[in-house]
Amino acid sequence: GQQVQQSPASLVLQEGENAELQCNFSTSLNSMQWFYQRPGGSLVSLFYNPSGTKQSGRLTSTTVIKERRSSLHISSSQTTDSGTYLCAMERYAQGLTFGLGTRVSVFP
Amino acid sequence: ETAVFQTPNYHVTQVGNEVSFNCKQTLGHDTMYWYKQDSKKLLKIMFSYNNKQLIVNETVPRRFSPQSSDKAHLNLRIKSVEPEDSAVYLCASRRHSNSDYTFGSGTRLLVI
Repeated sequence: GQQVQQSPASLVLQEGENAELQCNFSTSLNSMQWFYQRPGGSLVSLFYNPSGTKQSGRLTSTTVIKERRSSLHISSSQTTDSGTYLCAMERYAQGLTFGLGTRVSVFP
Repeated sequence: ETAVFQTPNYHVTQVGNEVSFNCKQTLGHDTMYWYKQDSKKLLKIMFSYNNKQLIVNETVPRRFSPQSSDKAHLNLRIKSVEPEDSAVYLCASRRHSNSDYTFGSGTRLLVI
């Protein structure tokens, strides 16, 4: 089964709305990372977040390693936030295992 | 500019041909990776490599091989492409095992 479960699979927002994306891991992990994937395919790192809460602009990531979960909060969404958000975990420096992503669409 | 650079952006080839994709990082990172994103958009690791160790995902077919001249370069060679190799191939690097990953923009391969 999928080791990294992301929810929801897709999300439609009106500009200005907030959103919460979830990531759950079925195994223990050492670290995790959130990415934004542009429609063209390139990945942009949002947060490297082994544990705790980190904020960057309108994005906040909270990871609780021992509970095997992480969340990404988008506040005051904008149309430029549209795209796919991926979370990934790592165990023992063996490379990242990705979820299938949450596709976010923000409309004006 | 420091980043992970991949070429080509896009490649179309016929079944049975050999292809090679280039990846270069100017970040001074120690480890480089190749990932494959399939038609279902799932990203999976193929290889990780530093100057000491090559780790291969056991599910990767033998026709795939990484090629490295130094720690800033990690190319991907596919000896005889098959239709299921159509995908986006993403190169990444990181400084050490406790740091974040930086990805390139990807190479989209179409096998016809």
